[in-house]
Amino acid sequence: EPEVTQTPSHQVTQMGQEVILRCVPISNHLYFYWYRQILGQKVEFLVSFYNNEISEKSEIFDDQFSVERPDGSNFTLKIRSTKLEDSAMYFCASMTANYGYTFGSGTRLTVV
Amino acid sequence: AQSVTQLGSHVSVSEGALVLLRCNYSSSVPPYLFWYVQYPNQGLQLLLKYTTGATLVKGINGFEAEFKKSETSFHLTKPSAHMSDAAEYFCAVIHLSGNTPLVFGKGTRLSVIA
Repeated sequence: EPEVTQTPSHQVTQMGQEVILRCVPISNHLYFYWYRQILGQKVEFLVSFYNNEISEKSEIFDDQFSVERPDGSNFTLKIRSTKLEDSAMYFCASMTANYGYTFGSGTRLTVV
Repeated sequence: AQSVTQLGSHVSVSEGALVLLRCNYSSSVPPYLFWYVQYPNQGLQLLLKYTTGATLVKGINGFEAEFKKSETSFHLTKPSAHMSDAAEYFCAVIHLSGNTPLVFGKGTRLSVIA
């Protein structure tokens, strides 16, 4: 069964540093997403990406965040200057045209 | 705007007992509805989803959910709980318009007591 792959599974970074979280969505999916889950809280939408551009973003997705699909396969989330409150599990997801969502196993980001 | 309410942040049942996890949604149009399970330190696994057709949906691991439009509910049930069902369960809704994202409930932690 096709999978969404996320790397790394766990990343520790110092406050103020830039991090890039990587995702390889399912190849024939059309829509791509990043979500985050702060420990013990619900899963929150960050951004959606379609046709090589952002189609929707939440209020969480401020200027510190950016997404790219640089080579047609990878889908990355960059946090420019990490803050302690960015510590969370970040999930990538891709979706087919008929709302078939598949989530990756997540990257746990710890900002110290 | 759509939202999802999961009643009960923590549900505890005995092994072999009925599992009932409640989910209500608000949406201006009929949505697609999902239940996801998250085991400790793992990702989100789809249990089942309702899109169209039969309102009683069967999923993996013996779970099922019934879409009740009149009650705006999509409660998750399983006749007999197993220890392995202990996890966090999330109800989610999507608005049928383009690529709008999934909106998740706050989750319900299910504990199964031996």
